[in-house]
Amino acid sequence: DIQMTQSPSSLSASVGDRVTITCRPSQAISTYLNWYQQRPGQAPRLLIYATSSLPSGVPSRFRGSGSGTEFTLTISGLQPDDFATYYCQQSYSSLAWTFGQGTKVDIK
Amino acid sequence: EVKLLESGGGLVQPGGSLRLSCAASGFSVSTTYMAWVRQAPGKGLQWVSVIYSGDNSNYEESVKGRFRISRQDSQNLLYLQMTNLRPADTAVYYCTRVGQSVTQLFFEDWGQGALVTVSS
Repeated sequence: DIQMTQSPSSLSASVGDRVTITCRPSQAISTYLNWYQQRPGQAPRLLIYATSSLPSGVPSRFRGSGSGTEFTLTISGLQPDDFATYYCQQSYSSLAWTFGQGTKVDIK
Repeated sequence: EVKLLESGGGLVQPGGSLRLSCAASGFSVSTTYMAWVRQAPGKGLQWVSVIYSGDNSNYEESVKGRFRISRQDSQNLLYLQMTNLRPADTAVYYCTRVGQSVTQLFFEDWGQGALVTVSS
């Protein structure tokens, strides 16, 4: 299985801050990397797919980048709605997908 | 609008069985990949199973031989039959529609989740 490691596991930030979360797979996965946001008490929501593509309705302050063994999710100008847990997920393994352990973003 | 609504969760004893259902609307389950993802209390997300192209399916290693994913196209339903349940299977189970962009797959739409508790 491909192991996904996110860092940090948690962070505290203020509204308006720029936040960066890193995801490192245990082997190269090209650009087969997705990000999800999960607010407390809610189901996860697709945030970014294929490393850097935003689904309809996701604000442009979210940006994904990377390839191979290092990926980043950047939130520029943190908003109150963005305090949540973020997960990366690889879809490189043929129908044997794995998630990172999550990064909790809370209010400083 | 895509909607996914899970049902069938509950409390079951170790070794018992349970079937989760997912009612889909806004699309046809027969024309897309569908998957189950679970989340143990206070923990992260774990992919469980996927069904695609007819009755082809795949499973996370810890549930192989115990869980079975299926769908009923006429009713637009997705199922997860769970047998020989263990306390470690306790989780919220999410039904998901898998989106596709060229060769990329991702969990595009999610239900609200169904809680399964395995305990004596």
